[in-house]
Amino acid sequence: QKEVEQDPGPLSVPEGAIVSLNCTYSNSAFQYFMWYRQYSRKGPELLMYTYSSGNKEDGRFTAQVDKSSKYISLFIRDSQPSDSATYLCAMSALRGGKLIFGQGTELSVKP
Amino acid sequence: EAGVTQFPSHSVIEKGQTVTLRCDPISGHDNLYWYRRVMGKEIKFLLHFVKESKQDESGMPNNRFLAERTGGTYSTLKVQPAELEDSGVYFCASSLHRLAGGSTDTQYFGPGTRLTVL
Repeated sequence: QKEVEQDPGPLSVPEGAIVSLNCTYSNSAFQYFMWYRQYSRKGPELLMYTYSSGNKEDGRFTAQVDKSSKYISLFIRDSQPSDSATYLCAMSALRGGKLIFGQGTELSVKP
Repeated sequence: EAGVTQFPSHSVIEKGQTVTLRCDPISGHDNLYWYRRVMGKEIKFLLHFVKESKQDESGMPNNRFLAERTGGTYSTLKVQPAELEDSGVYFCASSLHRLAGGSTDTQYFGPGTRLTVL
Protein backbone atom coordinates (compact mmCIF):
# COMPACT_ATOMS: atom_id res chain seq x y z
CA GLN A 1 0.00 0.00 0.00
CA LYS A 2 1.29 3.45 -0.94
CA GLU A 3 1.90 5.93 1.87
CA VAL A 4 0.06 8.64 -0.07
CA GLU A 5 -2.90 8.00 -2.37
CA GLN A 6 -3.99 10.51 -4.99
CA ASP A 7 -6.42 10.03 -7.86
CA PRO A 8 -4.38 10.63 -11.03
CA GLY A 9 -7.41 11.83 -13.01
CA PRO A 10 -7.41 13.31 -15.57
CA LEU A 11 -9.88 15.90 -14.35
CA SER A 12 -11.49 18.28 -16.83
CA VAL A 13 -13.58 21.27 -15.73
CA PRO A 14 -15.01 24.39 -17.41
CA GLU A 15 -13.46 27.77 -16.72
CA GLY A 16 -14.83 29.32 -13.55
CA ALA A 17 -15.56 26.00 -11.84
CA ILE A 18 -14.51 25.12 -8.31
CA VAL A 19 -11.94 22.34 -8.32
CA SER A 20 -11.42 19.94 -5.44
CA LEU A 21 -8.26 17.82 -5.27
CA ASN A 22 -7.62 15.30 -2.52
CA CYS A 23 -5.05 12.98 -1.03
CA THR A 24 -5.21 10.39 1.71
CA TYR A 25 -2.26 9.08 3.63
CA SER A 26 -1.46 6.28 6.05
CA ASN A 27 1.55 7.55 8.03
CA SER A 28 0.39 9.39 11.15
CA ALA A 29 3.88 10.87 11.56
CA PHE A 30 3.34 13.30 8.69
CA GLN A 31 3.12 16.87 9.99
CA TYR A 32 4.00 19.04 6.99
CA PHE A 33 1.68 19.07 4.01
CA MET A 34 2.25 20.67 0.65
CA TRP A 35 0.63 21.08 -2.71
CA TYR A 36 2.88 21.47 -5.71
CA ARG A 37 1.87 22.45 -9.23
CA GLN A 38 3.77 21.06 -12.19
CA TYR A 39 3.46 22.29 -15.74
CA SER A 40 4.52 20.04 -18.58
CA ARG A 41 8.30 19.60 -18.87
CA LYS A 42 8.87 21.75 -15.76
CA GLY A 43 9.76 20.98 -12.17
CA PRO A 44 7.20 21.02 -9.35
CA GLU A 45 6.46 24.47 -7.93
CA LEU A 46 5.23 24.94 -4.36
CA LEU A 47 1.67 26.23 -4.23
CA MET A 48 0.54 25.76 -0.63
CA TYR A 49 2.23 24.71 2.61
CA THR A 50 0.39 23.74 5.81
CA TYR A 51 1.74 22.59 9.12
CA SER A 52 -0.46 20.13 11.07
CA SER A 53 -4.25 20.40 10.81
CA GLY A 54 -6.26 23.37 9.65
CA ASN A 55 -7.03 25.56 6.67
CA LYS A 56 -4.90 27.97 4.72
CA GLU A 57 -6.06 30.36 2.04
CA ASP A 58 -4.04 32.17 -0.61
CA GLY A 59 -6.02 33.99 -3.25
CA ARG A 60 -8.12 31.48 -5.19
CA PHE A 61 -6.46 28.53 -3.44
CA THR A 62 -7.46 26.92 -0.14
CA ALA A 63 -5.63 24.01 1.46
CA GLN A 64 -7.22 21.89 4.17
CA VAL A 65 -5.63 19.28 6.38
CA ASP A 66 -7.59 16.84 8.53
CA LYS A 67 -5.05 14.76 10.43
CA SER A 68 -7.73 12.79 12.28
CA SER A 69 -8.96 11.45 8.94
CA LYS A 70 -5.51 11.49 7.27
CA TYR A 71 -6.98 13.52 4.44
CA ILE A 72 -5.84 16.70 2.72
CA SER A 73 -7.56 18.83 0.11
CA LEU A 74 -6.82 21.66 -2.27
CA PHE A 75 -9.65 23.85 -3.54
CA ILE A 76 -9.30 26.14 -6.53
CA ARG A 77 -12.00 28.78 -6.94
CA ASP A 78 -12.84 30.46 -10.23
CA SER A 79 -10.53 28.11 -12.09
CA GLN A 80 -8.67 29.49 -15.11
CA PRO A 81 -7.17 27.81 -18.19
CA SER A 82 -3.76 28.78 -16.79
CA ASP A 83 -4.48 26.46 -13.83
CA SER A 84 -4.22 23.49 -16.21
CA ALA A 85 -1.33 21.45 -14.81
CA THR A 86 -0.57 18.41 -12.68
CA TYR A 87 -1.18 18.96 -8.97
CA LEU A 88 0.94 16.94 -6.57
CA CYS A 89 0.33 16.52 -2.87
CA ALA A 90 3.44 15.98 -0.77
CA MET A 91 4.05 15.48 2.90
CA SER A 92 6.87 15.08 5.36
CA ALA A 93 7.33 13.88 8.91
CA LEU A 94 10.30 16.14 9.57
CA ARG A 95 10.78 19.81 8.84
CA GLY A 96 13.28 19.89 6.00
CA GLY A 97 13.03 16.15 5.54
CA LYS A 98 12.24 14.02 2.53
CA LEU A 99 8.94 14.59 0.77
CA ILE A 100 6.53 11.75 0.08
CA PHE A 101 4.47 12.52 -3.00
CA GLY A 102 1.11 11.42 -4.30
CA GLN A 103 0.92 10.34 -7.92
CA GLY A 104 -0.42 13.73 -9.02
CA THR A 105 -3.77 14.75 -10.53
CA GLU A 106 -3.79 16.08 -14.08
CA LEU A 107 -6.19 19.04 -14.29
CA SER A 108 -7.47 20.63 -17.46
CA VAL A 109 -9.55 23.84 -17.32
CA LYS A 110 -11.42 24.42 -20.57
CA PRO A 111 -12.18 28.00 -21.73
CA GLU B 1 17.98 34.95 -8.27
CA ALA B 2 18.68 31.87 -10.36
CA GLY B 3 16.67 28.76 -9.55
CA VAL B 4 17.82 25.18 -9.33
CA THR B 5 19.47 24.12 -12.57
CA GLN B 6 20.03 20.61 -13.87
CA PHE B 7 22.15 19.27 -16.68
CA PRO B 8 21.58 17.67 -19.09
CA SER B 9 17.89 18.22 -19.70
CA HIS B 10 17.67 14.93 -21.57
CA SER B 11 19.99 11.93 -21.84
CA VAL B 12 19.60 8.81 -23.95
CA ILE B 13 22.02 5.97 -23.25
CA GLU B 14 22.24 2.24 -23.79
CA LYS B 15 21.93 -0.34 -21.08
CA GLY B 16 25.28 -0.88 -19.39
CA GLN B 17 26.57 2.62 -20.04
CA THR B 18 27.32 5.25 -17.42
CA VAL B 19 25.52 8.56 -17.04
CA THR B 20 26.24 11.48 -14.74
CA LEU B 21 23.56 14.00 -13.88
CA ARG B 22 24.41 17.38 -12.41
CA CYS B 23 22.44 19.69 -10.14
CA ASP B 24 23.27 23.25 -9.18
CA PRO B 25 21.18 24.34 -6.19
CA ILE B 26 20.08 27.87 -5.40
CA SER B 27 23.08 29.78 -4.07
CA GLY B 28 23.34 29.55 -0.28
CA HIS B 29 21.05 26.53 0.07
CA ASP B 30 22.63 23.97 2.36
CA ASN B 31 20.10 21.26 1.59
CA LEU B 32 20.06 19.38 -1.69
CA TYR B 33 17.68 16.57 -2.53
CA TRP B 34 17.45 14.09 -5.39
CA TYR B 35 14.12 12.61 -6.45
CA ARG B 36 13.08 10.39 -9.33
CA ARG B 37 9.85 9.85 -11.21
CA VAL B 38 9.50 6.62 -13.12
CA MET B 39 6.81 6.53 -15.84
CA GLY B 40 3.34 6.16 -14.34
CA LYS B 41 4.58 6.33 -10.76
CA GLU B 42 4.86 9.01 -8.12
CA ILE B 43 7.95 11.14 -7.52
CA LYS B 44 10.17 9.23 -5.10
CA PHE B 45 12.91 10.45 -2.80
CA LEU B 46 16.46 9.26 -3.42
CA LEU B 47 18.69 11.16 -1.01
CA HIS B 48 19.32 14.35 0.94
CA PHE B 49 22.56 16.25 1.41
CA VAL B 50 23.20 18.83 4.08
CA LYS B 51 26.18 20.71 2.72
CA GLU B 52 28.55 17.93 1.65
CA SER B 53 27.21 15.26 4.03
CA LYS B 54 24.58 12.66 3.21
CA GLN B 55 21.78 13.26 5.69
CA ASP B 56 19.44 10.57 4.37
CA GLU B 57 20.13 8.13 1.56
CA SER B 58 17.30 5.74 2.36
CA GLY B 59 15.78 6.11 -1.11
CA MET B 60 18.81 5.10 -3.15
CA PRO B 61 17.70 1.98 -5.06
CA ASN B 62 21.02 0.11 -5.17
CA ASN B 63 24.77 0.51 -5.38
CA ARG B 64 24.68 1.38 -9.07
CA PHE B 65 23.75 4.89 -7.96
CA LEU B 66 26.41 7.19 -6.54
CA ALA B 67 25.70 10.74 -5.41
CA GLU B 68 28.31 13.28 -4.47
CA ARG B 69 28.34 16.87 -3.36
CA THR B 70 31.96 17.85 -3.02
CA GLY B 71 32.44 21.24 -1.39
CA GLY B 72 28.77 21.49 -0.56
CA THR B 73 27.83 23.25 -3.76
CA TYR B 74 26.70 21.36 -6.86
CA SER B 75 25.88 17.67 -6.78
CA THR B 76 26.28 14.83 -9.23
CA LEU B 77 24.33 11.60 -9.48
CA LYS B 78 26.08 8.82 -11.38
CA VAL B 79 24.36 5.70 -12.59
CA GLN B 80 26.78 2.89 -13.45
CA PRO B 81 25.92 0.62 -15.17
CA ALA B 82 22.52 1.90 -16.26
CA GLU B 83 19.60 -0.53 -16.50
CA LEU B 84 16.30 -0.20 -18.36
CA GLU B 85 14.37 0.41 -15.14
CA ASP B 86 16.49 3.49 -14.41
CA SER B 87 14.62 5.41 -17.10
CA GLY B 88 12.62 8.33 -15.73
CA VAL B 89 12.87 11.96 -14.76
CA TYR B 90 15.42 12.85 -12.10
CA PHE B 91 14.63 15.96 -10.11
CA CYS B 92 16.90 17.93 -7.86
CA ALA B 93 15.60 20.28 -5.18
CA SER B 94 17.25 22.61 -2.71
CA SER B 95 16.20 24.38 0.45
CA LEU B 96 17.62 26.91 2.84
CA HIS B 97 16.39 25.09 5.97
CA ARG B 98 18.78 24.91 8.88
CA LEU B 99 18.24 22.97 12.11
CA ALA B 100 18.95 26.13 14.08
CA GLY B 101 15.60 27.30 12.82
CA GLY B 102 14.28 30.57 11.49
CA SER B 103 14.56 29.60 7.86
CA THR B 104 12.09 28.23 5.38
CA ASP B 105 12.20 24.55 4.55
CA THR B 106 10.52 25.01 1.18
CA GLN B 107 12.08 22.73 -1.39
CA TYR B 108 12.61 24.39 -4.77
CA PHE B 109 12.75 22.00 -7.66
CA GLY B 110 14.76 22.06 -10.84
CA PRO B 111 13.27 21.21 -14.25
CA GLY B 112 14.57 17.66 -14.12
CA THR B 113 16.75 15.45 -16.29
CA ARG B 114 14.86 13.01 -18.47
CA LEU B 115 16.89 9.78 -18.65
CA THR B 116 16.11 7.15 -21.24
CA VAL B 117 17.95 3.82 -21.07
CA LEU B 118 17.60 1.73 -24.23
